[in-house]
Amino acid sequence: LAKTTQPISMDSYEGQEVNITCSHNNIATNDYITWYQQFPSQGPRFIIQGYKTKVTNEVASLFIPADRKSSTLSLPRVSLSDTAVYYCLVGALYSSASKIIFGSGTRLSIRP
Amino acid sequence: EAGVTQSPTHLIKTRGQQATLRCSPISGHTSVYWYQQALGLGLQFLLWYDEGEERNRGNFPPRFSGRQFPNYSSELNVNALELEDSALYLCASSYSGGGTDTQYFGPGTRLTVL
Repeated sequence: LAKTTQPISMDSYEGQEVNITCSHNNIATNDYITWYQQFPSQGPRFIIQGYKTKVTNEVASLFIPADRKSSTLSLPRVSLSDTAVYYCLVGALYSSASKIIFGSGTRLSIRP
Repeated sequence: EAGVTQSPTHLIKTRGQQATLRCSPISGHTSVYWYQQALGLGLQFLLWYDEGEERNRGNFPPRFSGRQFPNYSSELNVNALELEDSALYLCASSYSGGGTDTQYFGPGTRLTVL
């Protein structure tokens, strides 16, 4: 059961790079790491997914160290519209033997 | 491509009543997931359906149930409603129930129990 731990909240300013770290000490060999973004009163939206090392897309980068016990979501040059809750998921989440845990997420607030 | 749709947008019920929430997945997706999100809290996994069968269930009482239809749409039923059932109920779909599958979420149904 891959429980995740994230900071409850973070604050930053427009134009800054924001890094949100997620701890997942008991990650399994087959588990992937996925990050979602959620705005108020909306469903979460997929941001990025990775297994090891570094993954980058047009929105963010995901850094995963060799032991895979943590991961860091990096948002470059944030804007006010990046204010949201960010969730880290770890799993082969949808096997019948495991439970799906989103966790409480990290509430990111961006200031002008 | 149409996204995940949910109905109704809002639902108001009283204690003891039953609520039925509906979800239509993205075309081609066979897996549907249901989550509960109480105000200000994270997502709690409720149910996962794939190919018409319940594949996994979260830590919720049996009065939370659902089903998936042959067209892969899904229904969530909540019986004997309690005040604490008031929440945003989110539906998501994916191509299949694999661990790496991206879930696409709908806008949710806001259930209020009075």
